[in-house]
Amino acid sequence: KQEVTQIPAALSVPEGENLVLNCSFTDSAIYNLQWFRQDPGKGLTSLLLIQSSQREQTSGRLNASLDKSSGRSTLYIAASQPGDSATYLCAVPLGGSARQLTFGSGTQLTVLP
Amino acid sequence: GAVVSQHPSWVICKSGTSVKIECRSLDFQATTMFWYRQFPKQSLMLMATSNEGSKATYEQGVEKDKFLINHASLTLSTLTVTSAHPEDSSFYICSARDNLGPGNTIYFGEGSWLTVV
Repeated sequence: KQEVTQIPAALSVPEGENLVLNCSFTDSAIYNLQWFRQDPGKGLTSLLLIQSSQREQTSGRLNASLDKSSGRSTLYIAASQPGDSATYLCAVPLGGSARQLTFGSGTQLTVLP
Repeated sequence: GAVVSQHPSWVICKSGTSVKIECRSLDFQATTMFWYRQFPKQSLMLMATSNEGSKATYEQGVEKDKFLINHASLTLSTLTVTSAHPEDSSFYICSARDNLGPGNTIYFGEGSWLTVV
């Protein structure tokens, strides 16, 4: 059974800092890995999707890396802003291309102005 | 871009009543939709996979008679919480897989807050 873990559970940083969020998964035979953002009381916004054959994806100030062999992914946020404050979730498919997702418990990020 | 709409966004119901949540894919067809539940400060947990024209597949521990899922068309899946109890209060999110989109992309709804009083 795939288990997804995110560390830390919560993180508070001053504005402008670069930061790294961590995600680990137990079964390295993943199809892809996806990072989401969730604002309080809201649904999910997909940030980055990394295919199993890729090592990283970039979108603006966000960079996600994937190391399948070690079962790890990181989300790097450069020059953090208060608007980045949210919960960040990583997720992997349960199997094949079925696209049911197993989510980590999330990292609650607070960027202080 | 593709949009998944959930309705209602917020609902309060009395204990013992039933409440229906709709999940619609607005500009694409979705053979498969997924329903997740999220309790406060916890991650999303998959409840069931909804397949158009057939019975839903429920995850272990999810009562299929309590959480009725109907996927009658390629753009609509409904989740009905029957005989709701306060412990069913949660955030319910659906997602839909675009059959024809690149890489079978999945899109998420905005979620529905259910409070049972």
